[in-house]
Amino acid sequence: AQSVTQPDIHITVSEGASLELRCNYSYGATPYLFWYVQSPGQGLQLLLKYFSGDTLVQGIKGFEAEFKRSQSSFNLRKPSVHWSDAAEYFCAVGPNSGYSTLTFGKGTMLLVSP
Amino acid sequence: GAVVSQHPSRVICKSGTSVKIECRSLDFQATTMFWYRQFPKQSLMLMATSNEGSKATYEQGVEKDKFLINHASLTLSTLTVTSAHPEDSSFYICSFGDSMSNEQFFGPGTRLTVL
Repeated sequence: AQSVTQPDIHITVSEGASLELRCNYSYGATPYLFWYVQSPGQGLQLLLKYFSGDTLVQGIKGFEAEFKRSQSSFNLRKPSVHWSDAAEYFCAVGPNSGYSTLTFGKGTMLLVSP
Repeated sequence: GAVVSQHPSRVICKSGTSVKIECRSLDFQATTMFWYRQFPKQSLMLMATSNEGSKATYEQGVEKDKFLINHASLTLSTLTVTSAHPEDSSFYICSFGDSMSNEQFFGPGTRLTVL
């Protein structure tokens, strides 16, 4: 069965510093990979996705993620964090055929300090 | 991406009553929709998948008679929590599936509190 691990429950980063959120997955085949962001009391907004091709994908709000098949990882990065980036971030994996069931990680809460 | 709305955004009800949550796509039509539940400080858990015009498929452990899903049209789905109990208190989120982009577009969620 597929699973997604986000090992960091909370991360605190100073504003302007770089950010990396970790995501490891377990999947039987090459999956589709997603990063979503959720602000308090809100739904999920897609930051970026990987389906195939270039393993470094660019997303919205200056985020990027790199798919590393050998490490079963899809870490999210941002070179300079802004206070408005404080939110919960979810990594998700889905089958590479259609848009069916997504499996989510438990999320990483990003706190941004001044 | 598609704009998805949910109504109500918050609801408080007494134990034993039923609550209906609406999920609408404002600019997108989808044959497949998903309902998720999110407990505090936890991830989203898929409850069920519904295709327009057919019965929903429920995940293991989700009671289909308690969580009634009606996929009325390509832009509307409803989730009714019947005979709600305090343990049903949660954040419920819907999403529409897009077969072209392989994405799901999520609603803003509904906070249900059962007293």
